[in-house]
This record gives sequence, C-alpha cells and structure tokens, in this order.
Amino acid sequence: KQEVTQIPAALSVPEGENLVLNCSFTDSAIYNLQWFRQDPGKGLTSLLLIQSSQREQTSGRLNASLDKSSGRSTLYIAASQPGDSATYLCAVKGNAGKSTFGDGTTLTVKP
Amino acid sequence: NAGVTQTPKFQVLKTGQSMTLQCAQDMNHNSMYWYRQDPGMGLRLIYYSASEGTTDKGEVPNGYNVSRLNKREFSLRLESAAPSQTSVYFCASSEYFSGGRTNEQFFGPGTRLTVL
Repeated sequence: KQEVTQIPAALSVPEGENLVLNCSFTDSAIYNLQWFRQDPGKGLTSLLLIQSSQREQTSGRLNASLDKSSGRSTLYIAASQPGDSATYLCAVKGNAGKSTFGDGTTLTVKP
Repeated sequence: NAGVTQTPKFQVLKTGQSMTLQCAQDMNHNSMYWYRQDPGMGLRLIYYSASEGTTDKGEVPNGYNVSRLNKREFSLRLESAAPSQTSVYFCASSEYFSGGRTNEQFFGPGTRLTVL
C-alpha cells in the first residue's frame, strides 16, 4: 500500500526566504505526482503536476521535482510572500488510477 | 467556467438522518471522485467514477452510496448518518481516471458535515 509522508508538518519563515517542502512515498510505481495548496476552510488548488516520466515542473516562483527511484518530490518556493501562507499537500497517483495524499505541510510566511 | 461546485457548503445532521451531497463539474471531465478529509488522516477516497455510467469503491466506502447522474454530476448519499461521518467532503474531477494526457485533478470547495 502506498504511503505518502510530508515533513515538516509545519514551517514558519520570514518573508523573502526561499524554501523547500518535502514529500516522500514508499512505492515508486507511480503515474504522476500533484502538488496542491489549501487555504483554511477552502478546497484544494492545483499548483503543479509532474508525470512519472518527468523530473521537474515550474510555474512562476514554484518548482517541483520528482525522483521516483528515491521516492521523493520537493516543492521549491522562491522569494516567499505572506500570501504563500497555506497548507501544501502532495498527492501520488498510482498506476491503478487512485491517489494517495500526504497530511500536508502548513507554511506561515511572516511579514 | 465554475469548475467543480458542491452543495451544500455546511450541514448538521442528527444520527440516523439521511442526506445527499451534490457535485457538478463543467470541464467535460470523464472522471469524478468523492474524498473525505479528517485531521491526521489526510484525504481518503470514498468512491470514484472513472467514466459516465461506472462507479467503484475507494478506500472508505462503508456507509455511503453514489450516483453518477450524467457526465457532469456525481452525488454522494449518506443513508443513515453516524458521528464517525463528521468530516469535510470534497468532490474532484479529472479528464481521465488513469492513462492519457495530464490527468490533473480539480477540487470543489467542500461540504462541512457535522453529525450529532
């Protein structure tokens, strides 16, 4: 059974800092990996999706990487802003089509 | 485009009552999903519909039923609500369940359900 872990559970940084969020998974036979953002009391907003054949994806200040062999993905946020404060979730989709979610990392960016 | 919409946003039920959560998407997606989100448990798949006319159980289907009414709509029914079903319920959709293109999942805003 696929297990997805996100460490740390919470992170607090000053505005302007570059930061990395981590996602690890136990079964490397994945179809894709998707990073989401969730604001308090809201739904999930898709940030980046990486196919199993890709190594990274970029969108603005966000860069996500994937290393299937080591079961790891990272989400890099450049020049963090207070508006980046949210919970970040990763989801790993297996070849059977079902996704397994991590518990998320709650990010606070202080002005 | 509204994306994925869900109704109601909030609901309080008494144990044993029934209700249906509604979900609709306007992205012409084939696949739709129902998840529940609980503290410390992450999001867990309840049921999914890979395409119109098909439904399958996910990780936690007990106590729920679903209907894929048409390509746009996928409803979740609680026949006899229990306190253990207190949770936030999310509907999602994607172009395909597996295989093909990017298969990105899009989520609705959620329904916050409390069962007393």
